[in-house]
Amino acid sequence: KNQVEQSPQSLIILEGKNCTLQCNYTVSPFSNLRWYKQDTGRGPVSLTIMTFSENTKSNGRYTATLDADTKQSSLHITASQLSDSASYICVVRSGTYKYIFGTGTRLKVLA
Amino acid sequence: SQTIHQWPATLVQPVGSPLSLECTVEGTSNPNLYWYRQAAGRGLQLLFYSVGIGQISSEVPQNLSASRPQDRQFILSSKKLLLSDSGFYLCACYQQGGYGYTFGSGTRLTVV
Repeated sequence: KNQVEQSPQSLIILEGKNCTLQCNYTVSPFSNLRWYKQDTGRGPVSLTIMTFSENTKSNGRYTATLDADTKQSSLHITASQLSDSASYICVVRSGTYKYIFGTGTRLKVLA
Repeated sequence: SQTIHQWPATLVQPVGSPLSLECTVEGTSNPNLYWYRQAAGRGLQLLFYSVGIGQISSEVPQNLSASRPQDRQFILSSKKLLLSDSGFYLCACYQQGGYGYTFGSGTRLTVV
């Protein structure tokens, strides 16, 4: 069964600290993996996209990793800011049209 | 780049009433279009996708239907809403050639 599992479900950190969010997937066939940031009540916004051959990709303070052998991805946030408070969703594309969404990690950054 | 317009932003409807949510896309042609629902505290669930005018694929059986009367217009409908239809509905667009996958701003539907 195609599944995308994210951990932790929620996370609270202090401003300026780093954190890492995890995504494990059992999706076949695998096309690519995206991390999205979703502010409350808004649509998700893409942070990174990674294909099978890519191990690491950065977008500012966000760095995503992908291990296609273990089917794991992580999103590392460096020097967190209050504006990083949001839900982070891992999405795996399978084939041409099918996208499997994780349930997200809810991150709260405190001053 | 592509832009998705989705409206209304919020909607409160009584049980048994009809529903029509509209999504239009700018900045691209012949996109793949998607309707997702996000229940409170849950992940995004794919409801429908369309690869062209008049073509609709349904992922889960439900009380909703979708239509694509024009290339860049995608409509989510229901003849009679149920309480369980409450949720956050997102329209999304996928376009090859680097633009990727873009979401609309969402519609929060509350059925009372």
